[in-house]
Amino acid sequence: AQSVTQLDSQVPVFEEAPVELRCNYSSSVSVYLFWYVQYPNQGLQLLLKYLSGSTLVESINGFEAEFNKSQTSFHLRKPSVHISDTAEYFCAVRSVGYQKVTFGTGTKLQVIP
Amino acid sequence: SQTIHQWPATLVQPVGSPLSLECTVEGTSNPNLYWYRQAAGRGLQLLFYSVGIGQISSEVPQNLSASRPQDRQFILSSKKLLLSDSGFYLCAWTQGGSNQPQHFGDGTRLSIL
Repeated sequence: AQSVTQLDSQVPVFEEAPVELRCNYSSSVSVYLFWYVQYPNQGLQLLLKYLSGSTLVESINGFEAEFNKSQTSFHLRKPSVHISDTAEYFCAVRSVGYQKVTFGTGTKLQVIP
Repeated sequence: SQTIHQWPATLVQPVGSPLSLECTVEGTSNPNLYWYRQAAGRGLQLLFYSVGIGQISSEVPQNLSASRPQDRQFILSSKKLLLSDSGFYLCAWTQGGSNQPQHFGDGTRLSIL
């Protein structure tokens, strides 16, 4: 079985401040990890993914996430947030050989001007 | 490039009425297809997934059903809607191979009156 935990349901942060959204996973086998972003009344958009190789992965809009196998974590970070980053962020895990993806309950990032 | 279409965007239905939501994917063949329901604060709940025509796996027992009449078409149905069926329904696809991320449609907001 696989699972994902996003402990923070909401994270308020001031504009231009750094932010970290936490994600922990559980699986009995190797995993692939994903972060998705969702804007109101829209579907989920892939933000970044970890498949193999470098444990630090980056997105085109300044987010990065680091796969930490020993801590079973895949936290999302951004050094300086913008108003446009206000959205809900979902962490997801897919175990190697599985067809299904398990999503966390999401973290709402609210950027305060 | 691949695209996914989901319709309608919004739907208001009375209790006890039937339901049909459609999802189609373009630009790929033999995708894995998924239906999710999203409730506030609960993340994404996988309802059904399909790895091929006529192959449907149900994750949650309920009064919903899914069908895949064509390779790139996935339909979510109900004979009689319940109030508890209200929510945001998302269709997603992924190419075969468990390391591929899912790509989502824009969703259908279903309200049951």
